[in-house]
Amino acid sequence: EVQLVESGGGLVKPGGSLRLSCAASGFTFSSYTMNWVRQAPGKGLEWVSSITSSSTYIYDADSVKGRFTISRDNAKNSLYLQMNSLRAEDTAVYYCAREGVQGTSVYYYMDVWGKGTTVTVSS
Amino acid sequence: DIVMTQSPDSLAVSLGERATINCKSSQSVLYSSNNKNYLAWYQQKPGQPPQLLIYWASTRESGVPDRFSGSGSGTDFTLTISSLQAEDVAVYYCQQYYSTPFTFGPGTKVDIK
Repeated sequence: EVQLVESGGGLVKPGGSLRLSCAASGFTFSSYTMNWVRQAPGKGLEWVSSITSSSTYIYDADSVKGRFTISRDNAKNSLYLQMNSLRAEDTAVYYCAREGVQGTSVYYYMDVWGKGTTVTVSS
Repeated sequence: DIVMTQSPDSLAVSLGERATINCKSSQSVLYSSNNKNYLAWYQQKPGQPPQLLIYWASTRESGVPDRFSGSGSGTDFTLTISSLQAEDVAVYYCQQYYSTPFTFGPGTKVDIK
């Protein structure tokens, strides 16, 4: 079964850091571009970051550029999001999502989503 | 950035009736070299992650009931639920993957009348 399981969320103070992880199983992780998408409480979906299969290309939303870093370890079938200088507006459920087509492009839909991990930034 | 808008914000439809959701992009998401519209639709039920319904504007994802269909091209798109079922109560989002930042519409909430 194709599965993505996020972890690492929690309560953190403004200015703090957190590292999210996403464990992939059931597919050849190293062949797919991966994404992070977040959803603030009661709000819509916001794309955060994408990383191609071999980490060659990385794309970030302006709202997190310079603060968040996406990375992956294909040997461990894992995706990460290092979040620094956290702000209240970063409070959200963070989803890990797989690109819908194998390859090196980012320009595809997202066909598999994890259940998400909750990040709360509050003093 | 490509701005995605959706209408209506919410709608209530009787069981078995048609539900239509519109999505508009601020610029075309049709890539001329392959004639594909870089537009997807997702369904999100309460407390659940989004689920892919439609991609390339009109291709139904495997396992998605055929009462869901997508249409449109360029900047104007439609998601149609031909005969609403109770399990279709959800928020529906369109998303463009034509260019970064990838952007989602604000969502349309569908309820039973």
